[in-house]
Amino acid sequence: EVRLVESGGDLVQPGGSLRLSCAASGFSFTTSWMTWVRQAPGKGLEWVANINQDGSVKYFMESVKGRFTISRDNAKDSVFLNMNSLRAEDTALYYCARDKANFAIDLWGQGTMVTVSS
Amino acid sequence: QSALTQPPSASGSLGQSVTISCIGTNSDIGTYNFVSWYQQYPGKAPKLIIYEITKRPSGVPDRFSGSKSGNTAFLSVSGLQAEDEADYYCASPGVTGIFGGGTKLTVL
Repeated sequence: EVRLVESGGDLVQPGGSLRLSCAASGFSFTTSWMTWVRQAPGKGLEWVANINQDGSVKYFMESVKGRFTISRDNAKDSVFLNMNSLRAEDTALYYCARDKANFAIDLWGQGTMVTVSS
Repeated sequence: QSALTQPPSASGSLGQSVTISCIGTNSDIGTYNFVSWYQQYPGKAPKLIIYEITKRPSGVPDRFSGSKSGNTAFLSVSGLQAEDEADYYCASPGVTGIFGGGTKLTVL
């Protein structure tokens, strides 16, 4: 079965850190760009970051630059989002997704919830 | 980079047609022919319904179509059905990836 499964979401205090994981299965992970998209409660989708097939190219939305990093382990078909200096505005459901080509995000996980609050 | 601009809501009667706009800039929609559209039901993950402006993934009804003119992209839904009632988001590459604010489509 083709799927993405996220994990690692939690309640964390402002200024804290969290590492999200996404396990892929059923498709050729090593040939796929991978993306993180988030959705705050009751709000719209927000593109967060992506990474190319071998991990050599990474892009981030402006508000997370310097705080978030993205990485992947192709041996384990997994992609990660390390989040530091978390803020209340980072509270959201974080989706892991596959970009099949040319910004066509055709496979989504179920999401993992990150809540930043004291 | 600001979100692409979509109308917050749109509506149409069963069997009728509706078009949703997505306004960008010369830095995103105006430059790239990679606009995509997503359908999202409450509590569910988004689903790709249009990519590269006009293409439909396998399984997406041909009632859904996309187009682009200058810095604006459009999603058209013809022959509206009850199950089309959902949130719709446009997206485009730009400086980085960017989504629209979303449009809630109501089928009357």
